[in-house]
Parts: sequence; C-alpha cells; structure tokens
Amino acid sequence: AQKVTQAQTEISVVEKEDVTLDCVYETRDTTYYLFWYKQPPSGELVFLIRRNSFDEQNEISGRYSWNFQKSTSSFNFTITASQVVDSAVYFCALTSGGGADGLTFGKGTHLIIQP
Amino acid sequence: NAGVTQTPKFQVLKTGQSMTLQCAQDMNHEYMSWYRQDPGMGLRLIHYSVGAGITDQGEVPNGYNVSRSTTEDFPLRLLSAAPSQTSVYFCASSYWRSGRGEQYFGPGTRLTVT
Repeated sequence: AQKVTQAQTEISVVEKEDVTLDCVYETRDTTYYLFWYKQPPSGELVFLIRRNSFDEQNEISGRYSWNFQKSTSSFNFTITASQVVDSAVYFCALTSGGGADGLTFGKGTHLIIQP
Repeated sequence: NAGVTQTPKFQVLKTGQSMTLQCAQDMNHEYMSWYRQDPGMGLRLIHYSVGAGITDQGEVPNGYNVSRSTTEDFPLRLLSAAPSQTSVYFCASSYWRSGRGEQYFGPGTRLTVT
C-alpha cells in the first residue's frame, strides 16, 4: 500500500514571505513518481511538477522550488516571495509500481497568502 | 486543443436516480481516469482505463460503472445515486499509458444527491 501525508492542513502567511509545504510519502516500490498539483479557488487542478524516484536533484522554477529527499521520504515544496495569487490548495501525489492504478493523493494543504 | 472536458458542471439528483457524467479528451491520450474529491479527503481514484476497451477499478469503485469504447471518451455512470456520492468528480487523462506521467484534469462536475 502507498500513502501520502500532508500534515499541514492550512498555512497562512503574509505576502512576500517564503513558505514550505511538506509532503511525506510511503511506498514499497523502488520505482515511483511524485507530483504536486495546485487547486486555486476556481476549482481546477493544475499540474506543477513530476519527479521520478531516480532523480533526486532539486528543481527550481521561478519562485517555486522542490526538495526531494529519499532518505526521509519527503518531497517538499517551497514558494519564495509568496503572492496573493499563490493562495490555493496544494496536493502532493504518488504513483508507484506499474503506475496504471492512478495517483494516491495527500489530503492537501490550504495555503492562504494575506496581502 | 480543448484538453479534458466534462459535462455537466453541476448536477442535482434524487436518491435512486441514475445519470452519466461525460468526459472527453482530444489529446489522443491512452490513459484516462475518474477521481472523486470530498472535503478534507484529497482525491480518490474510482476507475481507470489504459486504452479503448480496457477498464479497471480504483480505490472507491462501488456504485460506479465505466466503459471505454473510444480513445476520446470515458463516461462514468451512477446506477442508483446515494447521498454518499455527493462529491466533486474529476476526469483526467495522461499521455503515458502506464499512468505514470502527469495527468491533465478536467474542470470537474459538482454532484449533489438529495
């Protein structure tokens, strides 16, 4: 069985602060894929990043960065200099093994950026 | 490309009624799936398909049927709606047949069963 834990249910910060969203995963497979999705108040799901288990390089995309650490089974997401438009629910997800049986999602972190 | 489209956007049903949620994609993706999203629960997989004519159950399949007669369409049928099926339903597709690739989600259908 696989599992994704996002322990932070809600985070509130003031605009321009940096914020890190935590994601801890469990899987018995050696090959797996991790994802982050954003769900803004409008409700759609927006893909942010995909990372496979053999690539532990951190990734940076503009104000977004991701820290993948297999030793702690974590795939954390940091937003630098947060903006009000970053307010959303963020989901971490995992697929492993054959992958065909879909994504296992965490319960999400509601991020509130206050102006 | 329209991407992944879902109809209807909103639906209210009475207990025991049946209906079909429509999902279509124009990206020629092999892999398609249905999730439901409940408050505080994240998204949970209902059914998935790795190609036309092939479907399988996900984590929460009870009360739902699917079929995949074409690559483009993947409808979800509720045979006898129950209040426990009140949820937001998302359809997704992925280029990777294995489902390991990024999944593109439709806008969702908000279903209320009274």
